[in-house]
Amino acid sequence: DQQVKQNSPSLSVQEGRISILNCDYTNSMFDYFLWYKKYPAEGPTFLISISSIKDKNEDGRFTVFLNKSAKHLSLHIVPSQPGDSAVYFCAASYSGGSNYKLTFGKGTLLTVNP
Amino acid sequence: KAGVTQTPRYLIKTRGQQVTLSCSPISGHRSVSWYQQTPGQGLQFLFEYFSETQRNKGNFPGRFSGRQFSNSRSEMNVSTLELGDSALYLCASSPPHEGGYTFGSGTRLTVV
Repeated sequence: DQQVKQNSPSLSVQEGRISILNCDYTNSMFDYFLWYKKYPAEGPTFLISISSIKDKNEDGRFTVFLNKSAKHLSLHIVPSQPGDSAVYFCAASYSGGSNYKLTFGKGTLLTVNP
Repeated sequence: KAGVTQTPRYLIKTRGQQVTLSCSPISGHRSVSWYQQTPGQGLQFLFEYFSETQRNKGNFPGRFSGRQFSNSRSEMNVSTLELGDSALYLCASSPPHEGGYTFGSGTRLTVV
């Protein structure tokens, strides 16, 4: 049962344009969402997060949008740069109970073409 | 400030053997989590330790175990290795609040 889904395995974008990466979740108890970026042979690097009390969070070129009613979040990268080419993982967690883990999607490979 | 350190970076083992992987968290971080990354399954949660206690465990067989020491360093052990255990094993540490997970570079385990 995959609770966090990234339905697009890959995405190709031109440099300077917007990259939009999508993520859906099924567990309504999730209340904290994160995006990680991963290069080959390296660990994931934290990009940006959002709490369920918000619907938008911005950090420089990165913006995450959360639609709780649709159980959907997206990461926007504007403008996209070739160095953004990596695998992007969406992750979710919830603060209640004894849960101390992140549930990840399977990732989306973003390629930004010069 | 040193990051999360995982050793070794690469490891090749034979089926049936056992392996121990090590993780040193960021100084001051008391929570250490382990994840397995495979091409087909993405990142899957193995277990999480805080103050030497396992607080949560993922859906992995009992061959996968771990522990945490008083200095917050953690080890995970896989016994009776199978070919399907070949993966990148990632360790993440976090301070005692929501989010803030910092990952190490991982240990690439290959079982032959």
